[in-house]
Amino acid sequence: DTGVSQDPRHKITKRGQNVTFRCDPISEHNRLYWYRQTLGQGPEFLTYFQNEAQLEKSRLLSDRFSAERPKGSFSTLEIQRTEQGDSAMYLCASSFWGSNEKLFFGSGTQLSVL
Amino acid sequence: QQQVKQSPQSLIVQKGGISIINCAYENTAFDYFPWYQQFPGKGPALLIAIRPDVSEKKEGRFTISFNKSAKQFSLHIMDSQPGDSATYFCAASITNAGKSTFGDGTTLTVKP
Repeated sequence: DTGVSQDPRHKITKRGQNVTFRCDPISEHNRLYWYRQTLGQGPEFLTYFQNEAQLEKSRLLSDRFSAERPKGSFSTLEIQRTEQGDSAMYLCASSFWGSNEKLFFGSGTQLSVL
Repeated sequence: QQQVKQSPQSLIVQKGGISIINCAYENTAFDYFPWYQQFPGKGPALLIAIRPDVSEKKEGRFTISFNKSAKQFSLHIMDSQPGDSATYFCAASITNAGKSTFGDGTTLTVKP
């Protein structure tokens, strides 16, 4: 099964440290999305790529957050100078073609900032 | 601005009963309305989806009812089973526009 894969599954870091997460989408999918989910809330959109181009970034996304998708394959999400408020589940999803239909989510990376 | 409002926050149903979860949206440009199911420690998984050109869609025990004039849609789970116990999210999006907007979720517990 070649579903969406995220690494690591869990990350504990100290406030002020940088962290990087990786997402490997379903291979034939050309869109890749990052969402953030906190307890009791639905996923909140962060950014998305079509192939290697980052097409939209949420206004809520601090400039401490950066995402890349080199060569339109895997993606990384980096958070610099982490804050306790960054603690959340970071979800990656991918979809096929130019449609936002049928998002396929990974199991997420749970970030805890101490 | 919360564009998709979901209710109830939690729901307890007896096995065999009907579970109903409701969502309301504000943006009339939305044209795709999926429901996702999420188990603890997992990402959301697409359950069923509808477009506004139909008022109802059924897949097995799951049905979406859509009311375009009221800007509301709901998920009905017939013959609810303990294995249906999960968190359910409604969402809304504009085709090809990228992002989806999610409701805050409903935690469903089906008692045996």
